[in-house]
Amino acid sequence: GAGVSQSPSNKVTEKGKDVELRCDPISGHTALYWYRQSLGQGLEFLIYFQGNSAPDKSGLPSDRFSAERTGGSVSTLTIQRTQQEDSAVYLCASSYSTDTQYFGPGTRLTVL
Amino acid sequence: GENVEQHPSTLSVQEGDSAVIKCTYSDSASNYFPWYKQELGKRPQLIIDIRSNVGEKKDQRIAVTLNKTAKHFSLHITETQPEDSAVYFCAASRAGNQFYFGTGTSLTVIP
Repeated sequence: GAGVSQSPSNKVTEKGKDVELRCDPISGHTALYWYRQSLGQGLEFLIYFQGNSAPDKSGLPSDRFSAERTGGSVSTLTIQRTQQEDSAVYLCASSYSTDTQYFGPGTRLTVL
Repeated sequence: GENVEQHPSTLSVQEGDSAVIKCTYSDSASNYFPWYKQELGKRPQLIIDIRSNVGEKKDQRIAVTLNKTAKHFSLHITETQPEDSAVYFCAASRAGNQFYFGTGTSLTVIP
């Protein structure tokens, strides 16, 4: 079946612009996660959605970052007023409850 | 919250030798421990996982061991091959909570 998909695969934007990154999880997966990975670094947790529960936003680095998950499926990560330090690969993952996570291919964000 | 530490950060082995990567965790309630392999420019992929009711699990050349008392788990790769070269991440989680990842180990297998 289809895996986790993310769009766009690459995004180049100018400093100060807003960007939206999209994640389509595997159908039926109740949990959805966003991570950020800078070049050569580990996985930085951003936000976690589990079913209808309030999301765990403890990893969001600033109030410029927000995410929503509509209808328990598609999720959008929004970064407002982008800064150069926001440049990274943004990875989405989904799982059934807290079972095995499956990662999407990521969105490479470059802020000029 | 949970804290996962991973060692070593880099590891070089000769082809055919074994590689061992170790992780410790702090939350005794964590009950699921996956390992991910990430090749350059690719997404992390699950290679093996273990749950807290099991002490060891093996899949061909890959094995994972779990010591709940000491709160540590390890990845063992035997008969390493150049295609095993990648970054490996461990993680810990428990039901209803997020996953906590280690900082990664860059494994290089020298032909």
